Amino acid sequence: QQQVKQSPQSLIVQKGGISIINCAYENTAFDYFPWYQQFPGKGPALLIAIRPDVSEKKEGRFTISFNKSAKQFSLHIMDSQPGDSATYFCAASGGINTGTASKLTFGTGTRLQVTL
Amino acid sequence: EPEVTQTPSHQVTQMGQEVILRCVPISNHLYFYWYRQILGQKVEFLVSFYNNEISEKSEIFDDQFSVERPDGSNFTLKIRSTKLEDSAMYFCASSDLFGRGLAGTYEQYFGPGTRLTVT
Repeated sequence: QQQVKQSPQSLIVQKGGISIINCAYENTAFDYFPWYQQFPGKGPALLIAIRPDVSEKKEGRFTISFNKSAKQFSLHIMDSQPGDSATYFCAASGGINTGTASKLTFGTGTRLQVTL
Repeated sequence: EPEVTQTPSHQVTQMGQEVILRCVPISNHLYFYWYRQILGQKVEFLVSFYNNEISEKSEIFDDQFSVERPDGSNFTLKIRSTKLEDSAMYFCASSDLFGRGLAGTYEQYFGPGTRLTVT
């Protein structure tokens, strides 16, 4: 029940296209859903995050769509660029309203390649 | 921009040896974490630490592991007797009390990692 399932495992998108990565969770106690971007040899870098009281959040070319009833959320990268080529991890945690910081449960990752 | 730093970047050790991985969290952060990532796999939570004690730990974090904040800036992970299966990338992360983005969230910022190779 603690798992976060992520798909696809890998994705190839042409420059200028839309990259879509999907995640699903079971634990209804999760209330914070960040996406991390990881380049080879580097640590995960926080990209964008959402709470379940909104259905969408947009920051630049990156958008999270959130479907609370389906327990699913997705990352959309608009106008994908070669520099976006990286591994993307969705994650989830609970405990926002308890005043304590909670562990992140990560998805399995999606390796995105943006071709010219 | 403040960042989490980790040393060493790569540690090679023999099975059974003790290793200490070091992290300097972002200076005003109060919550600290260790995660690990076995090559090609997902990032897994090990332990969280707040107010000089462990807040939460995973089943991976057994008696061979310990964490410490020896001074006001460092946060360490010790593995007492390393096993081959401890080979992984170890990430330190930190978050602050009030969060910076979404209200009430504790956004975690990760360091560049230490690659531990146990031979």
